[in-house]
Amino acid sequence: RKEVEQDPGPFNVPEGATVAFNCTYSNSASQSFFWYRQDCRKEPKLLMSVYSSGNEDGRFTAQLNRASQYISLLIRDSKLSDSATYLCVVGPRGSTLGRLYFGRGTQLTVWP
Amino acid sequence: SQTIHQWPATLVQPVGSPLSLECTVEGTSNPNLYWYRQAAGRGLQLLFYSVGIGQISSEVPQNLSASRPQDRQFILSSKKLLLSDSGFYLCAWKDQKGEQYFGPGTRLTVT
Repeated sequence: RKEVEQDPGPFNVPEGATVAFNCTYSNSASQSFFWYRQDCRKEPKLLMSVYSSGNEDGRFTAQLNRASQYISLLIRDSKLSDSATYLCVVGPRGSTLGRLYFGRGTQLTVWP
Repeated sequence: SQTIHQWPATLVQPVGSPLSLECTVEGTSNPNLYWYRQAAGRGLQLLFYSVGIGQISSEVPQNLSASRPQDRQFILSSKKLLLSDSGFYLCAWKDQKGEQYFGPGTRLTVT
């Protein structure tokens, strides 16, 4: 079983739509959770960390369900510029030496 | 603030030729450093990571090697490239919160 699994999509939505991405992870001992965004032919960039209580950054909301080992990302009022691949990432406690596990990504296209 | 540099940005090399990719980090000391490869249409594959000068851990045995000659320098090398080495090579560093930040990457095409 893969460490991190995501629906690869693609998700094609109109501007202004709300879209949600889901991700599951296999290691119950995981302590750190992130969403990254990767534009075509560019490096991944940190979108937001995911905290146990859930967190929001503008139009983006991330949720963590430890019992179900499930992470979600909600994008409200989608913009054309949100078109990208979104990577779900899981790892050990922040200061612990260890690798991060990246999902294969969910592709989003926002159309006008 | 911290910045991470990689060069070259793009590279076209023949099969059997050597490879040297360089990564440097500014604005932090003793960072954990990572090399990843992303093949076309694939996810990120961790190749090597380093917690300090001269300390390298390999995740995937292959014809690549890594070295860390200085605190903020991380080098990826190969003596003889294979066609399957083509891909997008990314260097990253990790902060105390566990967040990883990537360099701009090197796009390698082996012909």
